[in-house]
Amino acid sequence: AQSVAQPEDQVNVAEGNPLTVKCTYSVSGNPYLFWYVQYPNRGLQFLLKYITGDNLVKGSYGFEAEFNKSQTSFHLKKPSALVSDSALYFCAVRDLYGGATNKLIFGTGTLLAVQP
Amino acid sequence: NAGVTQTPKFRVLKTGQSMTLLCAQDMNHEYMYWYRQDPGMGLRLIHYSVGEGTTAKGEVPDGYNVSRLKKQNFLLGLESAAPSQTSVYFCASSGTGLSYEQYFGPGTRLTVT
Repeated sequence: AQSVAQPEDQVNVAEGNPLTVKCTYSVSGNPYLFWYVQYPNRGLQFLLKYITGDNLVKGSYGFEAEFNKSQTSFHLKKPSALVSDSALYFCAVRDLYGGATNKLIFGTGTLLAVQP
Repeated sequence: NAGVTQTPKFRVLKTGQSMTLLCAQDMNHEYMYWYRQDPGMGLRLIHYSVGEGTTAKGEVPDGYNVSRLKKQNFLLGLESAAPSQTSVYFCASSGTGLSYEQYFGPGTRLTVT
């Protein structure tokens, strides 16, 4: 079965420090991977995606993610955290058994708290 | 370009009442989706549509119905609301390419008492 795991419910980091939000996946075949961010009382916003090519993907707001096929991971990173980065982050993988539907399978989310 | 919009933003229902949530997108996307978000469970797909006039069941379809009479609109109905349907509901849309991301609406917070 296809799945996405976000092993940390919450990540705490001090402003200015680097941050990492972890994601691992389980799919058969080449994965299409996505990161979304949800600010309080808002919908999900697309951050970045990995489809193919360079393993380091750059996205919005200074975020980047590293695709690691051998570790089946797609961790989200930022060199210097801001208080405004505090939000709920979701990792997702394209449902490859879904046919022509572009369905996504989401992780349970990681709450990022950046302390001033 | 408003993207994906949802109405209403909030609603309180009594058990057994019915309601319809409306989703509209102005990006000419073929695919549309309804999710529910519950604490600790991420997003779960309720129903989806791959084009006007089509609908299909997702992961948690029981107690919900959908219709897509126009390409830009996707309606989610609750015929007889239950407290277990208290949740935040999100609509999303996507283009047809495999690399396409989904675009989300702002959500509807529904409470069933």
